[in-house]
Amino acid sequence: RKEVEQDPGPFNVPEGATVAFNCTYSNSASQSFFWYRQDCRKEPKLLMSVYSSGNEDGRFTAQLNRASQYISLLIRDSKLSDSATYLCVVGHNDMRFGAGTRLTVKP
Amino acid sequence: DAGVIQSPRHEVTEMGQEVTLRCKPISGHDYLFWYRQTMMRGLELLIYFNNNVPIDDSGMPEDRFSAKMPNASFSTLKIQPSEPRDSAVYFCASSFTEADTQYFGPGTRLTVL
Repeated sequence: RKEVEQDPGPFNVPEGATVAFNCTYSNSASQSFFWYRQDCRKEPKLLMSVYSSGNEDGRFTAQLNRASQYISLLIRDSKLSDSATYLCVVGHNDMRFGAGTRLTVKP
Repeated sequence: DAGVIQSPRHEVTEMGQEVTLRCKPISGHDYLFWYRQTMMRGLELLIYFNNNVPIDDSGMPEDRFSAKMPNASFSTLKIQPSEPRDSAVYFCASSFTEADTQYFGPGTRLTVL
């Protein structure tokens, strides 16, 4: 089993749609959780950290479920510019990246 | 801050040649990471350093790969001899702590013919 697993997608959604990604992790001792965004032919960049109580940043909401060992990312009112690959990152003594979920938002 | 700097941005070489990738981390970051990304395998951690000391190199594919960090502001990843299957994008990233946000460089796109 991979340490961090994501649905690779692709997710193709219309503008304005709400889309959710899940990511599961295997190490129950993991302490740090992040979502990164990677545009085509670019480097990954931090989108948001994921806190135990859940957190929101504009249209983006991240949640952590320690009991089931998954984190989620919800994007509301999706925009064309949200099209990218979203990488789940889980850290204990080091950071482990998921393979990413590709999102395409269409007009 | 200029962010993480990598060079070259693109490298095309022939099988058997030596390839050296370079990275300058963000000043003040104690951790430096080397990753490789391909369509098939995603983002793979190759090796990371703490205060210039290699901590975990278990991701280095084989003896053809080596990495050094002679000082806090410079690291190299060397492939000798290179093979076509080494073709990938190689990213360098740095962070304050092991489990902190990592900041990535723009990557080096390597093509081995």
